[in-house]
Amino acid sequence: GNSVTQMEGPVTLSEEAFLTINCTYTATGYPSLFWYVQYPGEGLQLLLKATKADDKGSNKGFEATYRKETTSFHLEKGSVQVSDSAVYFCASSWGKLQFGAGTQVVVTP
Amino acid sequence: EAGVAQSPRYKIIEKRQSVAFWCNPISGHATLYWYQQILGQGPKLLIQFQNNGVVDDSQLPKDRFSAERLKGVDSTLKIQPAKLEDSAVYLCASSNRRTSNTEAFFGQGTRLTVV
Repeated sequence: GNSVTQMEGPVTLSEEAFLTINCTYTATGYPSLFWYVQYPGEGLQLLLKATKADDKGSNKGFEATYRKETTSFHLEKGSVQVSDSAVYFCASSWGKLQFGAGTQVVVTP
Repeated sequence: EAGVAQSPRYKIIEKRQSVAFWCNPISGHATLYWYQQILGQGPKLLIQFQNNGVVDDSQLPKDRFSAERLKGVDSTLKIQPAKLEDSAVYLCASSNRRTSNTEAFFGQGTRLTVV
């Protein structure tokens, strides 16, 4: 079956710093890949997605590229803001939607 | 467009009691999911429906958990009897999936505390 592994948190960084959250997947086929975000007190919402190899998903300054050769989908943002503080979940979908454990990101002023 | 509705938002019960959660998906969404999210962990899929049929319930503890989706619209998830380790947020999600690349939309969740 498919599974997702992402880096543990919390990740603490200053405003305007560069953010990377690593995510790798295992699958028998070629799943669609997603990043979901959970802001404090809110529900899960889709941040970005990619459906095939070399696709790049982007939203709100975040980017992630579907890398088949390394089975990865790392999330990046060039300059984070305090409002980006949240828990970020990597997910893959191959028949069913499976999530990683989540990475808490804390951005300080 | 209305989102995924869940109720109640919070529930506190004693162990060995029963509890039920309700979910109303986005109108027209054929696929409905129930996830369990334990504090500090990612959501774990409990059951997936396509219309009113079960697609996957491999991680549902069937000795105590049950779920139904009558008429292929709203759904209920029941726990009977509850254990302390069932304390978690129960998330409902829906998608209009015809292929695996369709995103799922999540409700706010029900936070269950078993004491």
